[in-house]
Amino acid sequence: NAGVTQTPKFQVLKTGQSMTLQCAQDMNHNSMYWYRQDPGMGLRLIYYSASEGTTDKGEVPNGYNVSRLNKREFSLRLESAAPSQTSVYFCASKASGVADTQYFGPGTRLTVL
Amino acid sequence: ILNVEQSPQSLHVQEGDSTNFTCSFPSSNFYALHWYRWETAKSPEALFVMTLNGDEKKKGRISATLNTKEGYSYLYIKGSQPEDSATYLCAPRRGGANNLFFGTGTRLTVIP
Repeated sequence: NAGVTQTPKFQVLKTGQSMTLQCAQDMNHNSMYWYRQDPGMGLRLIYYSASEGTTDKGEVPNGYNVSRLNKREFSLRLESAAPSQTSVYFCASKASGVADTQYFGPGTRLTVL
Repeated sequence: ILNVEQSPQSLHVQEGDSTNFTCSFPSSNFYALHWYRWETAKSPEALFVMTLNGDEKKKGRISATLNTKEGYSYLYIKGSQPEDSATYLCAPRRGGANNLFFGTGTRLTVIP
């Protein structure tokens, strides 16, 4: 039982390049989330998927797209990376109950030059 | 977007000291309050989920209380140990929402 996995762990991009961050969970959770973490800003929600086939914008969706490929996988795409997207990205998943907590992946550290 | 405030932003305590932090959030349309512990270079890990006014939760030396009417929660650590050093995040969830709004956290450093 690996929990939530993310690839890659580290990535360096040049401005304008594109890339996809991958996230997978093996806990049969319905909901999945993408956050970014910046110094002094805490965790900010980019996009989330309440269930397979649905996605919704969070606080900071501009410059990102997501795909809920199936129940296990939720990917985050940067179409044209900008230095402002330099951050640590966390994926999380959650079951559906009131008291269910989010389980976080190990994070992807992205630098955009 | 919710206005979630945590205080203090950071604190240093001596090993063995007890300490507490505050999380403030809008009381309207409250659904649940989550506490997470986040060690440097790791991922956030869930501590508690609290839903009812007056809730108290405890895990070892760490406990939390919840006041939904006035919109705050306290996290207490009794007899702090160096391994308690971490950032403690709170995150309320509103009714009808499937997502959490995280505060910026309280960074605790326990000095041996």
